[in-house]
Amino acid sequence: AQTVTQSQPEMSVQEAETVTLSCTYDTSESNYYLFWYKQPPSRQMILVIRQEAYKQQNATENRFSVNFQKAAKSFSLKISDSQLGDTAMYFCAFMITTGTASKLTFGTGTRLQVTL
Amino acid sequence: DGGITQSPKYLFRKEGQNVTLSCEQNLNHDAMYWYRQDPGQGLRLIYYSQIVNDFQKGDIAEGYSVSREKKESFPLTVTSAQKNPTAFYLCASSVRTSGSLNEQFFGPGTRLTVL
Repeated sequence: AQTVTQSQPEMSVQEAETVTLSCTYDTSESNYYLFWYKQPPSRQMILVIRQEAYKQQNATENRFSVNFQKAAKSFSLKISDSQLGDTAMYFCAFMITTGTASKLTFGTGTRLQVTL
Repeated sequence: DGGITQSPKYLFRKEGQNVTLSCEQNLNHDAMYWYRQDPGQGLRLIYYSQIVNDFQKGDIAEGYSVSREKKESFPLTVTSAQKNPTAFYLCASSVRTSGSLNEQFFGPGTRLTVL
């Protein structure tokens, strides 16, 4: 079974600053994906970034980037130039594919508050 | 517009009543999923379905039932056997896009409150 751990329940960052959210996971699988999802007050789950385990290069999406350390089973999210709209819950998730479906395992989330 | 719809957004029921949550997708996705979210917790998988007329239990299936009679629809029934049904329920669907990537897309959710 897979587990995902997010050890920071809440974080705060000033607008325009950089913040890093931590995530560790445990698995015996070799082929998997890792995701960061954002859940704003609307509660819609929004994909922020994904990383394939076989790719050594860290994924980036505009102001969002990850630090993927496969051996350490670590997958942190860095948000640069933080904006007020980044205020949300952030969930780290682990995914494996099974047949025509996939299985996502989520962490407990980090609540990020961006302040002026 | 293609997407996943869940209705209603808010649902209130009396204790002891069964209630069915709707989930529809027009993305032509094969697989569909139901998750439950409680305060301070991540999403937990209730049931999922890979094809029509087939579904599997997730991590917390007790007290829930599902059906998959059409590819587009995957309704979830919260039965009176579910001890703590008040929660936020999210539906998702997925399609294999490349290699082993089978990315899930989420609906807007239904907030169920049992009084």
